[in-house]
Amino acid sequence: QKEVEQNSGPLSVPEGAIASLNCTYSDRGSQSFFWYRQYSGKSPELIMSIYSNGDQEDGRFTAQLNKASQYVSLLIRDSQPSDSATYLCAARGATNKLIFGTGTLLAVQP
Amino acid sequence: DTGVSQDPRHKITKRGQNVTFRCDPISEHNRLYWYRQTLGQGPEFLTYFQNEAQLEKSRLLSDRFSAERPKGSFSTLEIQRTEQGDSAMYLCASSSLYTDTQYFGPGTRLTVL
Repeated sequence: QKEVEQNSGPLSVPEGAIASLNCTYSDRGSQSFFWYRQYSGKSPELIMSIYSNGDQEDGRFTAQLNKASQYVSLLIRDSQPSDSATYLCAARGATNKLIFGTGTLLAVQP
Repeated sequence: DTGVSQDPRHKITKRGQNVTFRCDPISEHNRLYWYRQTLGQGPEFLTYFQNEAQLEKSRLLSDRFSAERPKGSFSTLEIQRTEQGDSAMYLCASSSLYTDTQYFGPGTRLTVL
């Protein structure tokens, strides 16, 4: 079992819709969670971080964390074609390294 | 405030050659991380430094790989006797002591022929 799991997609949504990206993790000791966006051929860019159960909102993005279910999600409202990218979920455990999932490819259709 | 920089951005080398990559973290960031990413995968942790001390190394890091951060500022990652399986994007990230948020540089894409 991978430590951080994501559906590889592609997840296709129409422009203006809500995109929902999901991630599960296996290490209950994980303390903080991150969503990165990665365009093809580029490096990961931080979108959101979340540390406690519940929702955290930043503009069109909402991160949700449920530690009991070991589940993290990212909602993108009013999706735009420019949001088309791979979204990487990462967890930080007791050490400072990040454990990444394989990423979910999001395609926003105009 | 400049971000993380990496040099070179691209490197093509022949199997068996040695290569060295450099990473300059965000100024005042004490922690520096190296990751490797292959196509279709998420970044995999290689090693990390706090100031000049190398605090953790992945089991993925064979003895052909060595990393240094001699003065607690920039870092170098050297791969000796490169193999075709070393072809990947090598990513550097940095963070401060007060937050665990890691910011990535543009990466160095290595191609081993």
